[in-house]
Amino acid sequence: NAGVTQTPKFQVLKTGQSMTLQCAQDMNHNSMYWYRQDPGMGLRLIYYSASEGTTDKGEVPNGYNVSRLNKREFSLRLESAAPSQTSVYFCASSEGSGRGNIQYFGAGTRLSVL
Amino acid sequence: QKEVEQNSGPLSVPEGAIASLNCTYSDRGSQSFFWYRQYSGKSPELIMSIYSNGDKEDGRFTAQLNKASQYVSLLIRDSQPSDSATYLCAVIFLSSGSARQLTFGSGTQLTVLP
Repeated sequence: NAGVTQTPKFQVLKTGQSMTLQCAQDMNHNSMYWYRQDPGMGLRLIYYSASEGTTDKGEVPNGYNVSRLNKREFSLRLESAAPSQTSVYFCASSEGSGRGNIQYFGAGTRLSVL
Repeated sequence: QKEVEQNSGPLSVPEGAIASLNCTYSDRGSQSFFWYRQYSGKSPELIMSIYSNGDKEDGRFTAQLNKASQYVSLLIRDSQPSDSATYLCAVIFLSSGSARQLTFGSGTQLTVLP
């Protein structure tokens, strides 16, 4: 029962470098999400994919791109990392339908941009 | 504008006491409300969901919803040191449409003192 798996768990980048955060879920969920969490703040939505083949911007999309590769996988790319993108990144998935839409979270990726 | 407000705390209670966590939200038409628990350095995990006015109990946890006052709360009875964590309130706003995005508060840090 892996649930939502994120890789890598930790990453250090230099300003201007690029990287892709990977996320995969094995719960056959339709919807997937990327959040960032900064100290003392709740989770802020970066991008989401309501269903396979669709992606949409969330609250803080600038500096990021996403790809919904298939139903299982949803990746987040930083094209040119900036110190302001130092954060903890969480991927989540949900059924995407019904009143509940309970989201299940991965363990997170801790990213530092120097 | 979608807003979820929580008292950031920290909130300290003695072991065995009732901990009361509060949350207000900006959209009167919202239908779905969640409480997530997040231990330090870990990912959020769902502990309660509530959709109708009134109380919902699950073990030591009770969620209370008052849509007229746009207020949702979480009570933890017989608090234990293992309950020490940050508690995140999350709301699916009506305006999120079919995307059913969660908007999170900044969280309340709870410490249960032995």
